[in-house]
Amino acid sequence: GENVEQHPSTLSVQEGDSAVIKCTYSDSASNYFPWYKQELGKRPQLIIDIRSNVGEKKDQRIAVTLNKTAKHFSLHITETQPEDSAVYFCAACPGTASKLTFGTGTRLQVTL
Amino acid sequence: GAVVSQHPSRVICKSGTSVKIECRSLDFQATTMFWYRQFPKKSLMLMATSNEGSKATYEQGVEKDKFLINHASLTLSTLTVTSAHPEDSSFYICSAPSGGGTGELFFGEGSRLTVL
Repeated sequence: GENVEQHPSTLSVQEGDSAVIKCTYSDSASNYFPWYKQELGKRPQLIIDIRSNVGEKKDQRIAVTLNKTAKHFSLHITETQPEDSAVYFCAACPGTASKLTFGTGTRLQVTL
Repeated sequence: GAVVSQHPSRVICKSGTSVKIECRSLDFQATTMFWYRQFPKKSLMLMATSNEGSKATYEQGVEKDKFLINHASLTLSTLTVTSAHPEDSSFYICSAPSGGGTGELFFGEGSRLTVL
């Protein structure tokens, strides 16, 4: 089955700086890669996703890049704000089954 | 976007009792729903795939007799934790695909189970 690794496990940045979280996956059949933000005790919220036919996608301060050959994808958050502090999960999904495999999570802390 | 509602949000029970968690798709039909479990400071681990009108598919290592899943209609899936023990204490989250084969999932609010 799919295996998703995520790094780093914790990340502390100063407000205004950029944050980068990286994930690798193992199943070459995976073609959908969402990123979720989860606040304590809440449900995961989709913040951005990318499909295997696209190399990069951007939505305001958030961008995701995908390298299919190397089987890795990254989340980039620019101009970080305190409200960006949360746990971020990457995930990978093969085909159209929506059966997501999640990464281990990154706890992002944005300090003033 | 589509809404998935989960109930209860919190439940505390005594060891040995059973607890039922409901997951409803409010404005769309879901032939498939996914149940995840999340321990504190850990990732979401898929427990099982709930299929409307048929048996659920369980992930390796998940006891089907302990975690009973029923998907009786196109809008409701239930997870029953039977004979709960303290080690079953966790955050349980259901999700449903958006449909159209996009891969996107809509998550319920989650249910925090505490077994005393």
